[in-house]
Amino acid sequence: DSGVTQTPKHLITATGQRVTLRCSPRSGDLSVYWYQQSLDQGLQFLIQYYNGEERAKGNILERFSAQQFPDLHSELNLSSLELGDSALYFCASSAAGDIQYFGAGTRLSVL
Amino acid sequence: AQSVAQPEDQVNVAEGNPLTVKCTYSVSGNPYLFWYVQYPNRGLQFLLKYITGDNLVKGSYGFEAEFNKSQTSFHLKKPSALVSDSALYFCAVRDPYNTDKLIFGTGTRLQVFP
Repeated sequence: DSGVTQTPKHLITATGQRVTLRCSPRSGDLSVYWYQQSLDQGLQFLIQYYNGEERAKGNILERFSAQQFPDLHSELNLSSLELGDSALYFCASSAAGDIQYFGAGTRLSVL
Repeated sequence: AQSVAQPEDQVNVAEGNPLTVKCTYSVSGNPYLFWYVQYPNRGLQFLLKYITGDNLVKGSYGFEAEFNKSQTSFHLKKPSALVSDSALYFCAVRDPYNTDKLIFGTGTRLQVFP
């Protein structure tokens, strides 16, 4: 167990809908990262938060947004969903740029 | 730009034989390299990292990796493969110029046959 918790494990929704993925980092980790894993794009970095502040953006669509709350948990919001958004979404956390520990992921299926 | 390449989509090896999963990197500056393993329906598990120091890095589950600066490689090795090692392996480089995000290779599926 990595200590990073992601909920839900699975999400099935329809095109055009909006979903929220949640991540609780390891105790004490200030950095949270979101990654997307899909068959065609592989593992891609989406966004990073550090102690509540956005620190870096990667290949994140404008329809996607995230935030990190004062208790350090993070949420990734995906809106106007398209079929191509179906993927595994991972959250990872780390302490000060050290090893990133990954959650088990949320599998999103857009029908 | 930082990048890693995993030239093999799949590696097959018999149980008890040594295994190697290849990774080459392209970075500006000193490389921060990682190996992760992904089992079916699970997240990525950290295996080992190279930041500096000895070129041979030992990690979890009996895995090790050899850093070779001249060949810009960071191959994952294990002296004796187990069927339970069958999984998807990812090499990654940390981008110190862009807030420590990880840049992953495309992954190599390791299949260990009994």
